[in-house]
Amino acid sequence: QVQLQESGPGLVKPSETLSLTCTVSGGSMGSYYWSWIRQPPGKGLEWIGHISYSGSTNYNPSLKSRVSISVDTSKRQFSLKLSSVTAADTAVFYCARNPGSGVNDYFDSWGQGTLITVSS
Amino acid sequence: DIQMTQSPSSLSASVGDRVTITCRASQSISRYLNWYQQTPGKAPKLLIYAASSLQSGVPSRFSGSGSGTDFTLTISSLQPEDFATYYCQQSHSTSYTFGQGTKLEIK
Repeated sequence: QVQLQESGPGLVKPSETLSLTCTVSGGSMGSYYWSWIRQPPGKGLEWIGHISYSGSTNYNPSLKSRVSISVDTSKRQFSLKLSSVTAADTAVFYCARNPGSGVNDYFDSWGQGTLITVSS
Repeated sequence: DIQMTQSPSSLSASVGDRVTITCRASQSISRYLNWYQQTPGKAPKLLIYAASSLQSGVPSRFSGSGSGTDFTLTISSLQPEDFATYYCQQSHSTSYTFGQGTKLEIK
């Protein structure tokens, strides 16, 4: 049974870069894509991007200029960097797993989520 | 981006009721449609994938249907633990998008 756990600073200053890490335990990292999804307080879900075990990435076009996702398979971790943050980036950030292609492509395992607040 | 629109945005119902939530895509997505349930303070939980396939461990009172642009999630007999927010999500385009959510409340 795969488990995902986000870790990060909790508070980030405006204009700085948000950095989060997701640690994967149990199961294999291969054959899957590893996603970041965010949810502003009281609002809906927004997919940020994902990375494969081999490092292939796809990003949400609306965030692409500010986002970078990387993977460290030796540590069983993948990471998110979101640059030039503003208050509008305040959200609960989730990491999740998805197969990455085909009709059976869905987010079947999620981390518990971590609240990131952008404030000075 | 493919836009996903859910209706209604909120819904009041009673235990035992049959409830249907609709999701419409801005273009055809075949059957690349998933449904999630989210309770307050928790991560979303996958209920239905590929429009109508029930995720392992999900009660059979949940069902999904549709293809192309119009999809439905049906709960046949509401239980107290079903009062939550439900989201649809398309995986036809790799730029995945979610509906805005339907909040199911107790009447």
